[in-house]
Amino acid sequence: SFELTQPPSVSVSPGQTARITCSGNAMAKNLGFWYQQKSGQAPRLVIYDDRRRPSGIPQRFSASSSGTMATLTISGAQVEDEGDYYCYCYSTDSGGYHRGLFGGGTRLTVL
Amino acid sequence: EMKMVESGGAVVQPGGSLRLSCAASGFIFDDYPIHWVRQPPGKGLEWVSVISWDGVNTYYGDSVKGRFTVSRDNTKDSLYLQLNSLRGEDTAVYYCGKGRGKSAVYGVDVWGQGTTVTVSS
Repeated sequence: SFELTQPPSVSVSPGQTARITCSGNAMAKNLGFWYQQKSGQAPRLVIYDDRRRPSGIPQRFSASSSGTMATLTISGAQVEDEGDYYCYCYSTDSGGYHRGLFGGGTRLTVL
Repeated sequence: EMKMVESGGAVVQPGGSLRLSCAASGFIFDDYPIHWVRQPPGKGLEWVSVISWDGVNTYYGDSVKGRFTVSRDNTKDSLYLQLNSLRGEDTAVYYCGKGRGKSAVYGVDVWGQGTTVTVSS
């Protein structure tokens, strides 16, 4: 199936570690990405190719992937990390048709 | 600075049509695939379409297939999305996004600020 499942919300206190999971069959065979979206803004890439961090993204952002599950970890979450986080992958179905796929999003609260 | 700027959003009646544009700058436009992603009010991101760097290959999400058409003009560093047979559920902010690599598998790394499409009578 072409669905990516994320928890609707995660809440941590400042300085704690936040973990956001993303599960789905499509994650097992395709590169995973994570996007951060703050209120009223466009998404921003925070992780690409399963675990790589773009320049300018703080080191506290990391990610891992195993089988059908990917995890975004924010070590020592800050108030400015609050927002919605989406996992994404690009997949090819059995008929050779390509499609992009987003998870439903996770609202991270740091309070 | 790499930049994407969408335009063309409007209020349109159900069944109507609209053409969105996306102007790119700051990078070699015809080196990259470009994606369209939309976000209905208060909801999550939905992948809409992608077009390969040369315009040869196009793919669409199930909810828009047969109604939307993506195209690009590499001489103008511009991307277009033709929206036909619009429905209420097409109401959303539409983002264009630059592919991170030559292939569409490498995700989006630069996003525009979005343009709003409202389908309402």
